[in-house]
Amino acid sequence: AQRVTQPEKLLSVFKGAPVELKCNYSYSGSPELFWYVQYSRQRLQLLLRHISRESIKGFTADLNKGETSFHLKKPFAQEEDSAMYYCALSTAGGTSYGKLTFGQGTILTVHP
Amino acid sequence: DAGVTQSPTHLIKTRGQQVTLRCSPKSGHDTVSWYQQALGQGPQFIFQYYEEEERQRGNFPDRFSGHQFPNYSSELNVNALLLGDSALYLCASSLVGRGEQFFGPGTRLTVL
Repeated sequence: AQRVTQPEKLLSVFKGAPVELKCNYSYSGSPELFWYVQYSRQRLQLLLRHISRESIKGFTADLNKGETSFHLKKPFAQEEDSAMYYCALSTAGGTSYGKLTFGQGTILTVHP
Repeated sequence: DAGVTQSPTHLIKTRGQQVTLRCSPKSGHDTVSWYQQALGQGPQFIFQYYEEEERQRGNFPDRFSGHQFPNYSSELNVNALLLGDSALYLCASSLVGRGEQFFGPGTRLTVL
């Protein structure tokens, strides 16, 4: 069975400070990892996925298979980054058909 | 493209009643997944439909059932409602076998 853990429920930083949201996973196969974000009064939306290895809104995340982690990082946080962030794992491929397993989420607050 | 749409937005039911929630996927998508999100929790996978069949199911009782129509839209039915079924129900669409899913705004179900 797969599991995603986000150890921090709340994270507060000041504008311009670096931010790192932690995500650890357990899965015996080869997972796809995602970060989803939910801004206030908006729907859940995809922020980035490890396969694309791109930077979105200044955020990056690297899949570390040795540490089974997929931490989300941004060097200089902005107030508009304040939101709920979910790390999610997909077991797409084989018979799994892309079920997403989510972590509990981290509320990021960026203070001015 | 309006993206994934869900109806109704809010719903209030009493214990023992039955409810039907509806979802229209993003244009071009053929797979629909349903998630339950309790307050303060990450979304929990209920089931996924592709080619009008349930392809994968999470740890939910048989009171939760679904359907997918030829136009790829989907319904989630919950029978014999319990207080604990109160949650935000999210629909997500994707292409078969792909982990990247696009979410609707959700239906807020309250069971009294």
